[in-house]
Amino acid sequence: NAGVTQTPKFQVLKTGQSMTLQCAQDMNHNSMYWYRQDPGMGLRLIYYSASEGTTDKGEVPNGYNVSRLNKREFSLRLESAAPSQTSVYFCASTPSGNEKLFFGSGTQLSVL
Amino acid sequence: DQQVKQNSPSLSVQEGRISILNCDYTNSMFDYFLWYKKYPAEGPTFLISISSIKDKNEDGRFTVFLNKSAKHLSLHIVPSQPGDSAVYFCAAPRNRDDKIIFGKGTRLHILP
Repeated sequence: NAGVTQTPKFQVLKTGQSMTLQCAQDMNHNSMYWYRQDPGMGLRLIYYSASEGTTDKGEVPNGYNVSRLNKREFSLRLESAAPSQTSVYFCASTPSGNEKLFFGSGTQLSVL
Repeated sequence: DQQVKQNSPSLSVQEGRISILNCDYTNSMFDYFLWYKKYPAEGPTFLISISSIKDKNEDGRFTVFLNKSAKHLSLHIVPSQPGDSAVYFCAAPRNRDDKIIFGKGTRLHILP
């Protein structure tokens, strides 16, 4: 039972570099999410995808782009990383929006 | 604006006693609430939920109470155990558009 798989688990970037965080779920869920967790800020929604082919902005979308490649995969891209994007990133999925989320184990990203 | 609020960043409780974690919300349209538990270096995991048609939901040692008039919910853990030491997040879908938003979390320490 893989559930939600995120890669990589750790990443260090220099300011201005780009990278893509990968997320895949094998539970046939419709909705997928990207959150970031920062000390004292809780979990903040970056982007959301209700279904394949649709994406929507969350609370803190600036500096990020997403792609819902197919039903299984939802990637998060940082085009030009900034130190303010140092955070732990979590991908999650759910059968539909009002049901419990299943989270991946997170990607710890440091931007120097 | 923070629609889901957890005003206590941390809470310490003696093992065997009751732990009470609180959550307030501002949007009266919220009709479903969830609690998540998070250990360090892991993704959050679903703990318990409650629909607005109920005022109480119980699952083993965990009970969630909902007071709609006060826009307040609480999570009770009885009896508290060392493995309950974690960060607890309150969450709710926002505006029926399937975006689930989280409070800032409360770190629970169970003391021996």
